[in-house]
Amino acid sequence: AQSVSQHNHHVILSEAASLELGCNYSYGGTVNLFWYVQYPGQHLQLLLKYFSGDPLVKGIKGFEAEFIKSKFSFNLRKPSVQWSDTAEYFCAVNGNAGKSTFGDGTTLTVKP
Amino acid sequence: DTGVSQDPRHKITKRGQNVTFRCDPISEHNRLYWYRQTLGQGPEFLTYFQNEAQLEKSRLLSDRFSAERPKGSFSTLEIQRTEQGDSAMYLCASSSGGEKLFFGSGTQLSVL
Repeated sequence: AQSVSQHNHHVILSEAASLELGCNYSYGGTVNLFWYVQYPGQHLQLLLKYFSGDPLVKGIKGFEAEFIKSKFSFNLRKPSVQWSDTAEYFCAVNGNAGKSTFGDGTTLTVKP
Repeated sequence: DTGVSQDPRHKITKRGQNVTFRCDPISEHNRLYWYRQTLGQGPEFLTYFQNEAQLEKSRLLSDRFSAERPKGSFSTLEIQRTEQGDSAMYLCASSSGGEKLFFGSGTQLSVL
């Protein structure tokens, strides 16, 4: 079975601060990893994904994530957050090309 | 708009009533997923279809829940004899290959 753990439930930052959201997964085989974002009042949308190759992947709006296989981690980072990054962020794993399993999410609040 | 659409956006029902939700996926997507999300949790997988075939059902999906995708296009999710614990956001997503998911805005169900 696959599972995902997100360490932070709620993160509050000031604008221009750096962001790192933790994500650890459990799955015995090859995985595809994702970060989804849900802005207030909007539906879930893909932020970035890792399938294979370079473990450092870049997504939209300056976000990046690093896949560390030995640590079963896929942490999300952004060097300088903006007020518009206020949203809920979900890490997800897809290990068998069927269902994706999501973490419980991290709510990010960026203070202007 | 050619995204995933769900209907209705909100549904209020009394305990014991039956409800049905509809999802129209992106037209060229062969996979369709149903998820359920409650406050403070990530989306929980319920079931998914590849074309008209239902390939996997979660243990969360009791016998009161049934989903169909009769012609491999739109899908319906029916909940019979609703209970207060069924109150949640029901999300539909589609994909062309089982990896990146495109989500709809969801149907918010409230069981009184």
